[in-house]
Amino acid sequence: NAGVTQTPKFQVLKTGQSMTLQCAQDMNHNSMYWYRQDPGMGLRLIYYSASEGTTDKGEVPNGYNVSRLNKREFSLRLESAAPSQTSVYFCASSEGLVRDYRYNEQFFGPGTRLTVL
Amino acid sequence: GENVEQHPSTLSVQEGDSAVIKCTYSDSASNYFPWYKQELGKGPQLIIDIRSNVGEKKDQRIAVTLNKTAKHFSLHITETQPEDSAVYFCAAFSGSARQLTFGSGTQLTVLP
Repeated sequence: NAGVTQTPKFQVLKTGQSMTLQCAQDMNHNSMYWYRQDPGMGLRLIYYSASEGTTDKGEVPNGYNVSRLNKREFSLRLESAAPSQTSVYFCASSEGLVRDYRYNEQFFGPGTRLTVL
Repeated sequence: GENVEQHPSTLSVQEGDSAVIKCTYSDSASNYFPWYKQELGKGPQLIIDIRSNVGEKKDQRIAVTLNKTAKHFSLHITETQPEDSAVYFCAAFSGSARQLTFGSGTQLTVLP
């Protein structure tokens, strides 16, 4: 049981290049999330998918797109990378995204450290 | 939307002492408050959580308190050990917003 896995672990891009960050979970969770972590700013939600087939914007969606490929996989795409997108990206999953707190514990992957030059 | 403020940003304590980290939130609809620990190079991991109809919860050396009226909650770590050194994040979940909002983090260092 690997939990949440992310690829790649590290990536360096030039301004304007595109790339896709991959995330997969094996816990049969319904909801998945992408966060970015910047020094002194905690984790900020980029996009989330409450269930297979749905995606919604979070706090900082500009410059990103997502795809919920199936129940297990949720990818994050940078179409034209900018230096402001240099960050550590975390994928997370939870059993559900409902008002009942019991389903909201989020499990995080190990992160992808992205540098845009 | 929800706004979570966390203090202090850095905290150093001697091994065996207690550590307290405080958070405030703005959305009165928030009903779930987890605390995450992040070790260097790893993703955050849940260490304790509390829901809005509970005032205090304890798990061995870790405890969390919640004051709904004042909209603040705190993490208490007793008998700190070097392995407690990490970044700690508080968070608040709002069912109406369907989002978990994180505080900015506290770097805890336990000095041997």
